[in-house]
Amino acid sequence: AQTVTQSQPEMSVQEAETVTLSCTYDTSENNYYLFWYKQPPSRQMILVIRQEAYKQQNATENRFSVNFQKAAKSFSLKISDSQLGDTAMYFCAYRGGGSNYKLTFGKGTLLTVNP
Amino acid sequence: AAGVIQSPRHLIKEKRETATLKCYPIPRHDTVYWYQQGPGQDPQFLISFYEKMQSDKGSIPDRFSAQQFSDYHSELNMSSLELGDSALYFCASSLYGGLSEQFFGPGTRLTVL
Repeated sequence: AQTVTQSQPEMSVQEAETVTLSCTYDTSENNYYLFWYKQPPSRQMILVIRQEAYKQQNATENRFSVNFQKAAKSFSLKISDSQLGDTAMYFCAYRGGGSNYKLTFGKGTLLTVNP
Repeated sequence: AAGVIQSPRHLIKEKRETATLKCYPIPRHDTVYWYQQGPGQDPQFLISFYEKMQSDKGSIPDRFSAQQFSDYHSELNMSSLELGDSALYFCASSLYGGLSEQFFGPGTRLTVL
């Protein structure tokens, strides 16, 4: 079974600075997808960024980018120019590449952006 | 743009009662997923449906059942409720396919007293 590990239960960063959230995963599959979801205090699950394992290029979405290291099974999220609205729980998630599309989540990292 | 709709948003039940949660996917989405998120926990996959057929099953208790209807909406039925069933229940929808992302609804907060 696939597992996703987020080793940082909580992190904090000053507004306008950069922060990196860590995620590692375990899988025997070669083709899969990785995601970062944001869950603000409203509890809504919001997709931040996604990465297809067969793509070597790291995904980027505005201030959010990932460092995908397939051999190391590592998928970290970098948030640049942090904003107060980035304060949320961030979940790393894995989805297999076959017909099984369920998401397996890590335990989450609570990020607080301080003014 | 239309989003996933879940109803009710909040539900309070007594132990041993029954609850029904409803999910209306984004129009033209053919796949629905149910997740359970306990307090301070990560979301756990319960069950999914593609074209009205169960496509995958996770850690869903036998007391729970679900189905997807002809209009693609889905219902999660929960019987003999226990205190431990108190959680946020998310429904997500997607188009079937590897690249399709799952769009989450706002969740139904179930409290069992």
